[in-house]
This record gives sequence, C-alpha cells and structure tokens, in this order.
Amino acid sequence: AQSVAQPEDQVNVAEGNPLTVKCTYSVSGNPYLFWYVQYPNRGLQFLLKYITGDNLVKGSYGFEAEFNKSQTSFHLKKPSALVSDSALYFCAVRDHAGNMLTFGGGTRLMVKP
Amino acid sequence: DTAVSQTPKYLVTQMGNDKSIKCEQNLGHDTMYWYKQDSKKFLKIMFSYNNKELIINETVPNRFSPKSPDKAHLNLHINSLELGDSAVYFCASSPWDGNNEQFFGPGTRLTVL
Repeated sequence: AQSVAQPEDQVNVAEGNPLTVKCTYSVSGNPYLFWYVQYPNRGLQFLLKYITGDNLVKGSYGFEAEFNKSQTSFHLKKPSALVSDSALYFCAVRDHAGNMLTFGGGTRLMVKP
Repeated sequence: DTAVSQTPKYLVTQMGNDKSIKCEQNLGHDTMYWYKQDSKKFLKIMFSYNNKELIINETVPNRFSPKSPDKAHLNLHINSLELGDSAVYFCASSPWDGNNEQFFGPGTRLTVL
C-alpha cells in the first residue's frame, strides 16, 4: 500500500527567508508525486508534480520541489517566503498502476512578517 | 467559469436524515472523485468514477452512495446521517491518465447535529 508522511504539523518561517516543507513517500515502483495547497475555507489547488525527468520541479507561485529517489523524499521549497504563502500544504503520491492519490496529513505553513 | 463546483457549500442537518451533495465539472475530464476531510484536515479518498463507472470504493459505509448520471456529474447521497459524518467533502476531477493533477471543488461543509 502506498503512503505519504509529512513529519511536521507546522512550519514557521519569517518573511523573506527560505522555506522547506518535508514529504517522504512509500509506493511500489516509480511514483507520481504532487504538491497541493489549501487556503482557509477553500479547495485544494495544484502546485507542482514530478512524473519523470529532471529531479527539480518548478511550480506555481515560485515553489519548487526536489525528487530524491534514494531518500524517497519530495520536499517543497521556496527561496523567499511571503506572508501570503501561509496555508496548508499537502503532499500526495500515486503509483503508475492505479488511479488512487494518497495524501499526507498536511503541513501548516505560517509565514510571519 | 468555475471548473469544479459543488452544492451546497454548507449543510447542517439532524442525525438520521438523508442528504445529497452535488458536483459538476466543466473541464471535460473522464474521472471524478469524492474526498472526505476530517476535523484534523486529514484528506481521504472515498470514491472514484471513470466515465460513470465506479473504480475506487475505499471502505466507505454503504450509507454513502455515489451516483454519476454522466461523466460531468458525480453526486453523493448519504443515508441515516451520523455525528461522525461531519466533515468537509471535496469533489475533484482529472483526466483518466494517472500522471495528471486533480482539480478540486470548493468543498461542502457538512455538520450533523
């Protein structure tokens, strides 16, 4: 069975500083990996995905993520955080055989001015 | 133009009642999903339909019955509502190919009293 772990319930960072939101996964075979963001009282919005190719993936709003196969990780990063980045972030994985997306428990990002 | 829409946005009802949540997507996607997000923000797949056929049913009580009249609509009917059904329910859609991201609706907050 596939699974996703987001070890931090909350990440606090000052505006202008770099941010990292961690994600590790477990899946049979090669993974499809996704990051979504959820603002208060809203649905999830897609940020970026890794399917194949370059391990560094760039997405919306200046976010990027690095796929590390040996560490089974897909950490989300941004060089300079904005207060408006404060939200709930979800990592998700899908295997190549199925259509089911498994989400991590979410990490709340708080960016303080 | 709203890509994935859900109605109602809020639903407050008594235990034992039967209620429905409607979902429509105008993206031309083949696959639609229902997710449940609990009070701790944990997100879990409930059902998935591809071209009106059920393909994922994740150990959901049979009080929950999805119905897909056409591939643009996936409704969720819940019988005999229980307190534990209180949650936010999200509809999503995607193309059938598994490497595509899912598009989420705004959510329906269900409160069972």
